[in-house]
Amino acid sequence: EPEVTQTPSHQVTQMGQEVILRCVPISNHLYFYWYRQILGQKVEFLVSFYNNEISEKSEIFDDQFSVERPDGSNFTLKIRSTKLEDSAMYFCASRRVADTQYFGPGTRLTVL
Amino acid sequence: ILNVEQSPQSLHVQEGDSTNFTCSFPSSNFYALHWYRWETAKSPEALFVMTLNGDEKKKGRISATLNTKEGYSYLYIKGSQPEDSATYLCASSYSGGGADGLTFGKGTHLIIQP
Repeated sequence: EPEVTQTPSHQVTQMGQEVILRCVPISNHLYFYWYRQILGQKVEFLVSFYNNEISEKSEIFDDQFSVERPDGSNFTLKIRSTKLEDSAMYFCASRRVADTQYFGPGTRLTVL
Repeated sequence: ILNVEQSPQSLHVQEGDSTNFTCSFPSSNFYALHWYRWETAKSPEALFVMTLNGDEKKKGRISATLNTKEGYSYLYIKGSQPEDSATYLCASSYSGGGADGLTFGKGTHLIIQP
C-alpha cells in the first residue's frame, strides 16, 4: 500500500543552522502539508501546498520557514535559522482531492 | 482560535471490555472531522473522515459518530484488544474543498491491559 515517507527520522542541529526536512508524498496525491508537534502539545498545522504554491499557512509558518516541491516526488520543509523552540516532531501529509490526509512517520528535529 | 478538545486524556481498559472517548470541536463553519490512530514511531493511521451530521462510520471493532450541530464526535472500540493500545487523535477542518489544514486535539492515550 502506498505510504508517505520522511527522511531523516531524527535530525540534530545547532541553533542558527539551516535544516531541510524531506518528504515523499503518495505519488498521485495533489495536496501536501507540513505539521509539527512540540513534545507534550497538540499537532499543529504549518502549511499546505497545491499546484506548486502555498495554499494556506499558519501563524507559526513565518519567514524562517519555506517549502518546495523541487521535482515530481519530493516535498521539503526548510528552516533557515533554527531556534531552540523549533525542536519538535515534523509530519508531512498528502491527499488526493476531497479525501483524508495521509501522514508520514515524522522527523524528530532536535535543536541544541 | 479553533480549539479541539479530547477526553479523557488517557484511559486504561481491560482486554475484552468496550470503551469510547470524545472529541469536541467548534461547529461554526465546520467541514470535516477526522480520526487517526497513532502508535509511537509510526505514521498516524487514518481511521475515519466524516462530514455530515449523523454520520456513522465503522471499521472492524471501531466505529465513530458525528454531531455537527453540537460539535462532538465519539469513537467506540468494541471488545478491546492489546493491539488497540495507541493514541487516538481527532482533527477538524473548516475551509472545505481545497487545501485546508487540520486542527488537532491532544489525543486520548488508550492502554489495553491483558
